Amino acid sequence: DGGITQSPKYLFRKEGQNVTLSCEQNLNHDAMYWYRQDPGQGLRLIYYSQIVNDFQKGDIAEGYSVSREKKESFPLTVTSAQKNPTAFYLCASSMDSGGWGNQPQHFGDGTRLSIL
Amino acid sequence: DAKTTQPNSMESNEEEPVHLPCNHSTISGTDYIHWYRQLPSQGPEYVIHGLTSNVNNRMASLAIAEDRKSSTLILHRATLRDAAVYYCILRDLNAGGTSYGKLTFGQGTILTVHP
Repeated sequence: DGGITQSPKYLFRKEGQNVTLSCEQNLNHDAMYWYRQDPGQGLRLIYYSQIVNDFQKGDIAEGYSVSREKKESFPLTVTSAQKNPTAFYLCASSMDSGGWGNQPQHFGDGTRLSIL
Repeated sequence: DAKTTQPNSMESNEEEPVHLPCNHSTISGTDYIHWYRQLPSQGPEYVIHGLTSNVNNRMASLAIAEDRKSSTLILHRATLRDAAVYYCILRDLNAGGTSYGKLTFGQGTILTVHP
């Protein structure tokens, strides 16, 4: 079945360490997104990418980096510059044809990142 | 972005219909109405979306008021697996700039389903 796969499900980071969260989709979607969710809160956009080799900062990009070398992959790196990285990270994708408003976003099951 | 208002929580009994309301009085003509739900410790799941006409799919129905200032998500027979936070979100057909394609999640409605 088509879908979005995020790994790992749980991740622990030591102080000063960079970690990379994986996101792979086989839906043939052009657009991909990374969101962060804190307990009891809504989702906030970190980065998005409309097409391969292109990505844009979202609302809270500081301390994060991404790459989009392949259509199906959009990894997120949480750098040591991100001072409060503990959160639930969600990757999503969508078609970009027919207008943004008319396209649902499909989400992965998330990665929960904690600081040791 | 146009704002939506939902009740904080609702309760239902299993196998009964559930009507989840959403108010969006400032909706624009190009805003689609999307519904997502999120179970604990999982990513949001797309439920349904529409523009003007009522919509049905295998998961739910979406009833949109004639003036589009409100809508209702209808779960025809609630199950225990439907217990989740339900989000009503407006998404501009032609969203651009830094809002390009992003979904803006509010607090949503916590649905509790009793056996």
